[in-house]
This record gives sequence, C-alpha cells and structure tokens, in this order.
Amino acid sequence: DTEVTQTPKHLVMGMTNKKSLKCEQHMGHRAMYWYKQKAKKPPELMFVYSYEKLSINESVPSRFSPECPNSSLLNLHLHALQPEDSALYLCASSQDGRGEVGAFFGQGTRLTVV
Amino acid sequence: AQSVAQPEDQVNVAEGNPLTVKCTYSVSGNPYLFWYVQYPNRGLQFLLKYITGDNLVKGSYGFEAEFNKSQTSFHLKKPSALVSDSALYFCAVRPNTNAGKSTFGDGTTLTVKP
Repeated sequence: DTEVTQTPKHLVMGMTNKKSLKCEQHMGHRAMYWYKQKAKKPPELMFVYSYEKLSINESVPSRFSPECPNSSLLNLHLHALQPEDSALYLCASSQDGRGEVGAFFGQGTRLTVV
Repeated sequence: AQSVAQPEDQVNVAEGNPLTVKCTYSVSGNPYLFWYVQYPNRGLQFLLKYITGDNLVKGSYGFEAEFNKSQTSFHLKKPSALVSDSALYFCAVRPNTNAGKSTFGDGTTLTVKP
C-alpha cells in the first residue's frame, strides 16, 4: 500500500463550526505533514510530525490544531476558521523522520469556509 | 535562505516533441532536489529526486532530470511529450541536513497539444 488517504475529499463549513480533517498512511513512514495550497500556488508547509511528535509548526494560527494519535494517523482540527482559510489541504508522509525526502502526498481535502 | 525558481509560468509543446521544464535553486550546502506533478483537483505526485550520485535521474512516466551543480539547475525533461502529461509541475529543494525543510517553486503549467 503506497497511498496516503485523506478524508473527507470536500468540506464546507461555517465560521463557527468545528470540523476535522483526517489522514492515514500504512507505509511505515515516520514523518507526516500538513500543507495548505491555494489554487495554482505551491503548497505551504503548516506542520510536521516526526515519530509522532510535533517537530515543526510554521507559525500557523491556533484555529488549526494538529494531532497525531499514532504513527499511521494524522488529524487537523479546525475551529472558527475564516473565509481566507478556504484552500486545498494536503497531507503527506515520508520514510525519513528527519524531514521530507520525496514525500507521498494524499489527494487533499478541498475546504470551503462560508 | 534557500529558494527555487521556475522561470516559466507556462510551457506549451506539441505531442511527440521533447519537453523541458526549468528549475534553478539556491541552497546552503548540498541539495536534495525533487519534482512533483499535480493534476487538476488532485494532490501532488512524486516524480523523481536527486539525493546523490549520478547527475541524471530517471523517474516516473518517462521523465528524467539532470542535476547541474555549476549552474544550480535541475531541469525536468521528457523525450516525447504526451497530451496526458499536461499538468502543473513543481520543483522543490531542501538542504541535506537533518532539520532541512523543502522549498517549492511557484510551479509551471505544462500544456501538451495534440
């Protein structure tokens, strides 16, 4: 299994809602990542988990809260988002726990904040 | 600070012709270099990487890239383009250190016309 699976594929939420994005991989990778991507722009790194510990937080607002319950799962909890947070949210994983070296990406969750 | 430049926003080629998507980089020390492809409404797919060794790297779907240290370039090439190669291509670089993070270029949209 060489896939990173993200659910849901699409999500529409109001600014007062609480929702979660989920990511799963079964490749034995020890590093997992959240990226935010606007249309036709490069992905922007948000968080990195290495060996289930948060190793990088790229100054992301607290309305985004990551969680890594185990080495295969990565969640992104969302609360009180703004319309400008609408984007494609990508999860990725890599074998190298020191940093991404040819990461595998999921298909993304298309988030719309209304 | 590291950086990646993809000087062309758009590359157009005819099917069957060779294609080149350009990438130059700046990083302290020796680089890890990557190419990713993104089809509409999809996540990123890893194409190939340069870590060390042979300067010519072969990747998925018949793509290859050549690492040129003196010109700090890592151009993506394919001898014969297919219409299905039409997509958004991202080059990325990171230093070969434990704490290295990847920096992505702004992307190049490749259009292959029949």
